[in-house]
Amino acid sequence: DGGITQSPKYLFRKEGQNVTLSCEQNLNHDAMYWYRQDPGQGLRLIYYSQIVNDFQKGDIAEGYSVSREKKESFPLTVTSAQKNPTAFYLCASSMQTGANVLTFGAGSRLTVL
Amino acid sequence: AQSVTQLDSQVPVFEEAPVELRCNYSSSVSVYLFWYVQYPNQGLQLLLKYLSGSTLVESINGFEAEFNKSQTSFHLRKPSVHISDTAEYFCAVGERNTGFQKLVFGTGTRLLVSP
Repeated sequence: DGGITQSPKYLFRKEGQNVTLSCEQNLNHDAMYWYRQDPGQGLRLIYYSQIVNDFQKGDIAEGYSVSREKKESFPLTVTSAQKNPTAFYLCASSMQTGANVLTFGAGSRLTVL
Repeated sequence: AQSVTQLDSQVPVFEEAPVELRCNYSSSVSVYLFWYVQYPNQGLQLLLKYLSGSTLVESINGFEAEFNKSQTSFHLRKPSVHISDTAEYFCAVGERNTGFQKLVFGTGTRLLVSP
């Protein structure tokens, strides 16, 4: 079945450590996204990518980095510069053109100890 | 830039009662509108969407939403809810223009259905 796989589902990190969240899709979608979800704040866009080797900052990119070396993969690194990284992270993808119907992964919950 | 407002953070209802989850948006251009549902510790799933045509759209599990351009609203309704409808619901808007565009999400409404 086509879909988006995020890993790990749960991750604990000590302060000062970088951590990378994986996102893989087999939907042949061109565009991929990373959202951060905090209680009462909805979803906020971190980064998005329309094509391979290209990506743009979203609304809250500070302290995060991404890469898009393959169409299927869009990993997110939460760096030590991110001041409040504890959150639920959602990866999504969509076709490039037309109405932007997003397909989401199951999410990764990051907790900083 | 577009924005979305979901005024109700939480809506408690009894099973088999009707429910309405409110969504208002702001945009300077015409829009696409979406409702997504999220069950605990899961990703979001598309519930229904308005792209064009009939302003009343329906989902397979009995939800419906009506695009009201004059009131800039896209409220979600269900005439009789089930316990299994307990979840968080997000309204989202995308601007209808050429090329790539991003969705903006509301802050979500938690629907709590009790027996």
